[in-house]
Amino acid sequence: RKEVEQDPGPFNVPEGATVAFNCTYSNSASQSFFWYRQDCRKEPKLLMSVYSSGNEDGRFTAQLNRASQYISLLIRDSKLSDSATYLCVVNKDNFNKFYFGSGTKLNVKP
Amino acid sequence: GAGVSQSPSNKVTEKGKDVELRCDPISGHTALYWYRQSLGQGLEFLIYFQGNSAPDKSGLPSDRFSAERTGGSVSTLTIQRTQQEDSAVYLCASSYWTSGRAGPEQYFGPGTRLTVT
Repeated sequence: RKEVEQDPGPFNVPEGATVAFNCTYSNSASQSFFWYRQDCRKEPKLLMSVYSSGNEDGRFTAQLNRASQYISLLIRDSKLSDSATYLCVVNKDNFNKFYFGSGTKLNVKP
Repeated sequence: GAGVSQSPSNKVTEKGKDVELRCDPISGHTALYWYRQSLGQGLEFLIYFQGNSAPDKSGLPSDRFSAERTGGSVSTLTIQRTQQEDSAVYLCASSYWTSGRAGPEQYFGPGTRLTVT
C-alpha cells in the first residue's frame, strides 16, 4: 500500500468555482502534513502546511482528519492560475523523510 | 539569494553508460534530498543527507545508484550502467535543520531530465 494516495483527477472546473481534493495516508504515526503545488515541467513548491486545527491562507483552506487519516485542500473562487498539480506530502515519524502523493491535477477553465 | 541549482538540466545518454547528476543546495541548508519523478508520477524518494550523519539510502532502487555529499554542501547522484527505466526527472531538494528535525519546507531545484536511449 502506498504511503500517500490521491485521486489523480483531472478536476476540470470553471473560473470562480470551489474545488476540494482529498488525500489519504497510511501511517498513523505521521506527524506533519503539507500541500505542494507543481506546475507543468516545473519543480514542486510549498503551498501550505496543514495544521491539526485546520488553517486558511486566502482562498485556500487545509484540513486534517487524524482519525480517518486524510487531509483535504479546498480552493475557493478558482483562478486560471490555480491550474496545476497539487501534491499531498506527509512527513513520517522520524521527521526527516517526506512522502509525496502522485498528485491531483486541476484545470481551471475560462 | 540563490536557490537550489542542479546540473545538467538535460542529459541524454546511451544505455549502459554512467551518468553523474549534481545538486548545489541553498547555503546553510544541512538537509539534502534526492527524488525521482517519472512522467505523470509522484516523487519517489531516493536518498537523504543530514549534516555528517550517515545518509538514509533506503530509497535507492538498485546498487547501480549511489550518491555522495562533499563538505556538507554539493551532492552528486551517480547512476552506473544506465537502463531505459532510469529515464526520469531527478529532483534535488534542501531544507534547513532545527531542533533535531528537518524544516517544514523543502526547496527544490529545477531538476535534471535524464533520457536513456
